[in-house]
Amino acid sequence: NAGVTQTPKFQVLKTGQSMTLQCAQDMNHEYMSWYRQDPGMGLRLIHYSVGAGITDQGEVPNGYNVSRSTTEDFPLRLLSAAPSQTSVYFCASTGGGGYNEQFFGPGTRLTVL
Amino acid sequence: RKEVEQDPGPFNVPEGATVAFNCTYSNSASQSFFWYRQDCRKEPKLLMSVYSSGNEDGRFTAQLNRASQYISLLIRDSKLSDSATYLCVVILKTGANNLFFGTGTRLTVIP
Repeated sequence: NAGVTQTPKFQVLKTGQSMTLQCAQDMNHEYMSWYRQDPGMGLRLIHYSVGAGITDQGEVPNGYNVSRSTTEDFPLRLLSAAPSQTSVYFCASTGGGGYNEQFFGPGTRLTVL
Repeated sequence: RKEVEQDPGPFNVPEGATVAFNCTYSNSASQSFFWYRQDCRKEPKLLMSVYSSGNEDGRFTAQLNRASQYISLLIRDSKLSDSATYLCVVILKTGANNLFFGTGTRLTVIP
């Protein structure tokens, strides 16, 4: 099993550009989440999904969209990148009703100029 | 008030030392508790779950105090390889939107 995979690992954008961060998991987990991690702020939830076709907003959803057309994939779209979105983005998945271990992808380091 | 609070450190300890971290949570309805480890520029990985009765895994001991609403992590006989950031995680109830991370405590073990 590959676990949770994310692409790209690094990305530099200009203000106003859009892009999609890819996330996939092969563990058949129901729950998938996107977090951003900033110094001194910890991990903050952007969007999450409890199953294919179902998504909802987390703590910091503005400027991001998600979709969940399959159990495996959960892409995160930046609509119009802003410097405030410079961060490290982690995708995570968990099974067992959401109480269990979260498995994280390796992260995407995004810089918006 | 944050759902989960941790002392950010850094904690700098010599090899072989014992070090303890605490993490407080604000919601008494919290149901599940975990410690994660995050190495520099890597993703967080589960270190251990925290049970009401306390649990031990080798040199690591995790405890939960529901009355005072905190969890703790004790590391005995610290190794250089223990240097990392330790994150506490609290889950209020099932569902991905009810999971809260602490900001992490940074540990450096010095030779």
